[in-house]
Amino acid sequence: EIVLTQSPGTLSLSPGERATLSCRASQSVSSNFLAWYQQKPGQAPRLLISGASSRATGIPDRFSGSGSGTDFTLTISRLEPEDFAVYYCQQYGSSLITFGQGTRLEIK
Amino acid sequence: EVQLLESGGGLVQPGGSLRLSCAASGFTFSSYAMSWVRQAPGKGLEWVSVISGSGDSTYYADSVKGRFTISRDNSKNTLYVQMNSLRAEDTAVYYCAKGVCSGGGCYFGRNCFDPWGRGTLVTVSS
Repeated sequence: EIVLTQSPGTLSLSPGERATLSCRASQSVSSNFLAWYQQKPGQAPRLLISGASSRATGIPDRFSGSGSGTDFTLTISRLEPEDFAVYYCQQYGSSLITFGQGTRLEIK
Repeated sequence: EVQLLESGGGLVQPGGSLRLSCAASGFTFSSYAMSWVRQAPGKGLEWVSVISGSGDSTYYADSVKGRFTISRDNSKNTLYVQMNSLRAEDTAVYYCAKGVCSGGGCYFGRNCFDPWGRGTLVTVSS
């Protein structure tokens, strides 16, 4: 099983600032099959990024994904008030799909 | 518009059984793998199971293998999960999700999820 470790656990920033979230895998993720999701309280997760760097339909271009192998990053270039939420990474390079534990992005 | 609507959640005693359903609309249901993902209260996401578009292939998380059975009825555009021998640690919101994969190396077990349903809460308690 591939273990995904997200850091930091909580990130406190202000609107307009840049956010950088990390996801590290215990082994290389095949085909860079790494996705990022946003989840707000009481809502289902929403797909932001697939294939490590491809934005999903309707996702603003302030969201970008990068990385390969075992190290991946989600960057939000300029935070909007609606971006404060919990973010999860997920690997699907293995048929035993796993998620990271999440990063909470909170307003400073 | 793609829509997924889960139902069947509720309170069940330890050792009991429950069947969840997910009604799909807005896409060609039989062409897509579908998964169940769960989230315990205040916790993170845990993938549970996936089924291929035809329904003839499945995978399960180790935590539910032998107790849960995923299935689908493509004539009714509906996904199911039969949950037996339920434990307190199975308490969670259960989401169904449509599988997505693009590029080389894709097969039914390799998916990210878009979209997700709103979820149905399963509580296992005496």
